[in-house]
Amino acid sequence: GQNIDQPTEMTATEGAIVQINCTYQTSGFNGLFWYQQHAGEAPTFLSYNVLDGLEEKGRFSSFLSRSKGYSYLLLKELQMKDSASYLCAAMDSNYQLIWGAGTKLIIKP
Amino acid sequence: GAVVSQHPSRVICKSGTSVKIECRSLDFQATTMFWYRQFPKKSLMLMATSNEGSKATYEQGVEKDKFLINHASLTLSTLTVTSAHPEDSSFYICSARAEREAPNEQFFGPGTRLTVL
Repeated sequence: GQNIDQPTEMTATEGAIVQINCTYQTSGFNGLFWYQQHAGEAPTFLSYNVLDGLEEKGRFSSFLSRSKGYSYLLLKELQMKDSASYLCAAMDSNYQLIWGAGTKLIIKP
Repeated sequence: GAVVSQHPSRVICKSGTSVKIECRSLDFQATTMFWYRQFPKKSLMLMATSNEGSKATYEQGVEKDKFLINHASLTLSTLTVTSAHPEDSSFYICSARAEREAPNEQFFGPGTRLTVL
């Protein structure tokens, strides 16, 4: 079956670094997505990885290991506005997104 | 960038009535549109996939007669919740994809909050 696992909740301090892990199992693979979702809003796109390695985009970076079925999202210099849910989604061979349950990130001052 | 709109953003209705939600791709042609629902503190649940000009493909457990989907043009898909019940109250989100140009990208609408009294 198809499955995405990520932690339910994480807490970090303002200014610090946090890594949110995601493991996936899909029928075929067309990339791994990370989305940010604030309460009551739709998801917004953060990153896309289809090749192994690290993609850096400002304070956010995303890593993929296809052989391990593993990805992480790294957030640096955390700000209070980064408090949100972070959704990991893998795209299968039919270009359909398989969603994780999301990781609620709580930032403390 | 690609923009997807949804209308209405919020709707409150009485039990037994029908509600229509529109999803529009504003600056690109969406060959495929997806309808999701999301309960509080839960992830997105795919309800159905619709391709322009053909019948929607519903996920297991989603009643096609209750959630009517019409993808009449390359820029518009509608979801009609028929005979709404309080348990249909949820956050409904659509996304759109231009299959040929960018099959890996889905662009999300802002969502519609449905409350059934």
